[in-house]
Amino acid sequence: KAGVTQTPRYLIKTRGQQVTLSCSPISGHRSVSWYQQTPGQGLQFLFEYFSETQRNKGNFPGRFSGRQFSNSRSEMNVSTLELGDSALYLCASSSGQGARTDTQYFGPGTRLTVL
Amino acid sequence: GENVEQHPSTLSVQEGDSAVIKCTYSDSASNYFPWYKQELGKRPQLIIDIRSNVGEKKDQRIAVTLNKTAKHFSLHITETQPEDSAVYFCAAPGRDDKIIFGKGTRLHILP
Repeated sequence: KAGVTQTPRYLIKTRGQQVTLSCSPISGHRSVSWYQQTPGQGLQFLFEYFSETQRNKGNFPGRFSGRQFSNSRSEMNVSTLELGDSALYLCASSSGQGARTDTQYFGPGTRLTVL
Repeated sequence: GENVEQHPSTLSVQEGDSAVIKCTYSDSASNYFPWYKQELGKRPQLIIDIRSNVGEKKDQRIAVTLNKTAKHFSLHITETQPEDSAVYFCAAPGRDDKIIFGKGTRLHILP
């Protein structure tokens, strides 16, 4: 099976702009989670989608949003970008009941730089 | 609040020696505890996990132990090798099905 893929791999934006990141999970996986990774902060949970429904959300402002399509592909959107949004954004997919009980398979990440 | 604390943040061990990384969690209902390894420039990958119905699990040089009473679990790597150098993350489910990661341990294997 093909692994988790993310596009684009790199993005450079300026403050105030918005960005959309895409994630294609492993075939058959219904759960997709998103994380923000920054040095010193580890992996911070953004949200998890399961069968097109947002299952839960981390402690991020409303500028961060996401969705999942019927084919389990997921997108996340960040509006009104701030310098502090510069990070590696990772998505991960899981089979079964999702991240709480099953292995997460991570994508390569999208490196977002906000200038 | 819910939290997963991971220690130490950095660990250096001589090649061939053992390394131990410890995590504590707060939600007593947690029942799944994975460990992920992230090599420089690469994505995190699962190396071992344990569920709450067992106290220890081994896979070759890697083992994980779980103490549900004390709410902590540990990663043990024996006979360390240069390729073990990486950042290791523990994780545990919190309330509302959120998966919470520790802040990571950077492991250096010294020649």
